[in-house]
Amino acid sequence: DSGVTQTPKHLITATGQRVTLRCSPRSGDLSVYWYQQSLDQGLQFLIQYYNGEERAKGNILERFSAQQFPDLHSELNLSSLELGDSALYFCASSARVNYGYTFGSGTRLTVV
Amino acid sequence: AQSVTQLDSQVPVFEEAPVELRCNYSSSVSVYLFWYVQYPNQGLQLLLKYLSGSTLVKGINGFEAEFNKSQTSFHLRKPSVHISDTAEYFCAVSRNFGNEKLTFGTGTRLTIIP
Repeated sequence: DSGVTQTPKHLITATGQRVTLRCSPRSGDLSVYWYQQSLDQGLQFLIQYYNGEERAKGNILERFSAQQFPDLHSELNLSSLELGDSALYFCASSARVNYGYTFGSGTRLTVV
Repeated sequence: AQSVTQLDSQVPVFEEAPVELRCNYSSSVSVYLFWYVQYPNQGLQLLLKYLSGSTLVKGINGFEAEFNKSQTSFHLRKPSVHISDTAEYFCAVSRNFGNEKLTFGTGTRLTIIP
């Protein structure tokens, strides 16, 4: 157990639907990062939150949004899903970047 | 912006042989460098990191990496691999201040041949 909890582990949904992925960071970590991992795109940075505020944005589609709550857990919302959104979505947390990230085990999203 | 290039997408190696996984980075500012390992159906796990100081960094599972500023490289090495080292290895870079995001390479799949 890395200390970063992601739920659900697997998600199968239809095109056009909306899903919410949840991440609880390791205790004490203020930063949460979301990454998408697919076979053709590799690990793509989506978005970072630090202590409830958006810190950096990467290749995140407008159909996707995220937030970090006061208890520091984070949610990634994916809407109007397309087949191409099928991927592994990872959450990671850190106290400082030079400590390295701690990754969760990921949510495997399959859009059918 | 920072970027990372992992030149080899797949590396097959015989068991107990040495291995080197190559990583080159690009950045206009000082950086932190990391290697992560991803075992099948798992998240990424930190192997080692270079922050400053000694250019030879030792990590878990017998891996080490050497930071070479002039060649902008951070190659990962292990003198003798085991079947259990079969995994995907990712090199990553970030700027060396604040809570900066990591930029990952495309990964190298290490396959150990018995």
